[in-house]
Amino acid sequence: GAVVSQHPSWVICKSGTSVKIECRSLDFQATTMFWYRQFPKQSLMLMATSNEGSKATYEQGVEKDKFLINHASLTLSTLTVTSAHPEDSSFYICSARRGGGGYEQYFGPGTRLTVT
Amino acid sequence: DQQVKQNSPSLSVQEGRISILNCDYTNSMFDYFLWYKKYPAEGPTFLISISSIKDKNEDGRFTVFLNKSAKHLSLHIVPSQPGDSAVYFCAASGGAGDYKLSFGAGTTVTVRA
Repeated sequence: GAVVSQHPSWVICKSGTSVKIECRSLDFQATTMFWYRQFPKQSLMLMATSNEGSKATYEQGVEKDKFLINHASLTLSTLTVTSAHPEDSSFYICSARRGGGGYEQYFGPGTRLTVT
Repeated sequence: DQQVKQNSPSLSVQEGRISILNCDYTNSMFDYFLWYKKYPAEGPTFLISISSIKDKNEDGRFTVFLNKSAKHLSLHIVPSQPGDSAVYFCAASGGAGDYKLSFGAGTTVTVRA
């Protein structure tokens, strides 16, 4: 158990457009979901934490109006990169924590975003 | 400010031998520690965790040791297998309902045949 999916796995978009990435927990209910960004050869950088039915909490330096996060249900969270620019190109990974579970986060396979 | 540090960016080990990965942390509030394995272009996979009330946790070939006074933990993989070649991340959580994880920079392990 504890499978997390992400869609799409990769996306190419033009500068100025918006892109939505979905994160789903397939076999468990996720009270908390997290969005990370990873630059090449670097660690995972937490962008925001979202709890089902409430507003996301963004980490310092992450623009909430640019990276819109919605956690509409216990199995789905979305990240929308608005007005994307080439510097937003990155590997975005979501994770989910089981409701009533411990501290383990289960990660999706990631989404490679390339903005041209 | 990097609160979780993995000072060895890479490790090469012969198949069948032990791999030892190290991790140091600076935040004394960290209460729960995890190790993840990651292949390129994939999400991290949870391997093993340890609570601060323990000093050792074992799961199959993986053992994590925690030295709280030294703010140091290590992951032992024995015996190492070719499929273990990946990037390993150490992560820590503040506990007490703080579920955010702080990650180290990762250690790339290469298992030689």
